[in-house]
Amino acid sequence: AQRVTQPEKLLSVFKGAPVELKCNYSYSGSPELFWYVQYSRQRLQLLLRHISRESIKGFTADLNKGETSFHLKKPFAQEEDSAMYYCALGSGGYQKVTFGTGTKLQVIP
Amino acid sequence: GAGVSQSPSNKVTEKGKDVELRCDPISGHTALYWYRQSLGQGLEFLIYFQGNSAPDKSGLPSDRFSAERTGGSVSTLTIQRTQQEDSAVYLCASSLTSVVTDTQYFGPGTRLTVL
Repeated sequence: AQRVTQPEKLLSVFKGAPVELKCNYSYSGSPELFWYVQYSRQRLQLLLRHISRESIKGFTADLNKGETSFHLKKPFAQEEDSAMYYCALGSGGYQKVTFGTGTKLQVIP
Repeated sequence: GAGVSQSPSNKVTEKGKDVELRCDPISGHTALYWYRQSLGQGLEFLIYFQGNSAPDKSGLPSDRFSAERTGGSVSTLTIQRTQQEDSAVYLCASSLTSVVTDTQYFGPGTRLTVL
């Protein structure tokens, strides 16, 4: 069975400090991993996916198959980064996506 | 163009009543998904449609839950004999195809409260 674990429910950091949102997964096949974000009063939206190896809004995430992790990082947090972040695992030939329980990021001015 | 829309935005019902939740996907999107988001929980996959077919219904929590999609477009999630534990936000998403790398676009959700 596939599983996504986000150990932190809440992460508070000061503006300008580095951010790391942790995500670990369990899956026997080749994973497709995503980070989704939900800003206050907005819809859930895709932030980035590992296959694209992209940096979005200064965030990056590296897939570490050895540690089965896909942590989300940003070197300098901004107030507008405050949101709920969900790590997600896609598997199989179609989009059965398993989401983690989410981490609320709070950036303190 | 318009994004995914869901109606109603809020629904309060009494235990034992039936409810219908509607999802209008982005035009041209062949894949449609229903999720449930309960307080303190992640998003729980319920069902997925490719066109009008539902290849994966494995996430439906009980036989009180059913869903259909017509014309490859609108989908309705029906919950019969609602229970208090059904209270949650129900999210719908659509994607161009069901390939895992296609982006899922989410609707605003329907908040269901069962009294």
